[in-house]
Amino acid sequence: DQQVKQNSPSLSVQEGRISILNCDYTNSMFDYFLWYKKYPAEGPTFLISISSIKDKNEDGRFTVFLNKSAKHLSLHIVPSQPGDSAVYFCAPTFRGAGNMLTFGGGTRLMVKP
Amino acid sequence: NAGVMQNPRHLVRRRGQEARLRCSPMKGHSHVYWYRQLPEEGLKFMVYLQKENIIDESGMPKERFSAEFPKEGPSILRIQQVVRGDSAAYFCASSLGTVGNSPLHFGNGTRLTVT
Repeated sequence: DQQVKQNSPSLSVQEGRISILNCDYTNSMFDYFLWYKKYPAEGPTFLISISSIKDKNEDGRFTVFLNKSAKHLSLHIVPSQPGDSAVYFCAPTFRGAGNMLTFGGGTRLMVKP
Repeated sequence: NAGVMQNPRHLVRRRGQEARLRCSPMKGHSHVYWYRQLPEEGLKFMVYLQKENIIDESGMPKERFSAEFPKEGPSILRIQQVVRGDSAAYFCASSLGTVGNSPLHFGNGTRLTVT
């Protein structure tokens, strides 16, 4: 029962171009969506989040878009940099879940110089 | 300003032994979460604790696994009689409060290998 799916296990992008990472979910209770970035041998680090009352949130080079009707969100990174190469996890939650996150399977982003 | 500290970083156990994983949350954080990541998979929730209380253990196997977060000291995830399938990376996270203004902060994990 995969409530959160990241259908692209990997993505390769040229430096300077846009990276788009996608995430689909099935649980309509989710009302807060987080993206985490993970380097090898390290724990995930929080990147950006969006509440269900918004459809877009921007922080520097990172923008997250939420389409509630489609139960879909995406993370845009522009311009992509080699240091962005990592695994990105979509991790939604909902009020009352006590911060319990449901992680997608992750997308490995490789940004080529 | 130390982050979430987990130790050991690597732990090797033979089948049937016990594994103890420790987690010290960020200063001031009273919410602790344990997640497990199997190879090539995402992180799966195991248990959520606040000081001295287990709030949600719905993701934790009913047998052999237990967790605690005592009033003093780190949170402990204990796995008794380990089996090969327990080999994974175990991540601890802490937060100040509920999500919205307090995302989870993760430690660097303990990589458990069962031989």
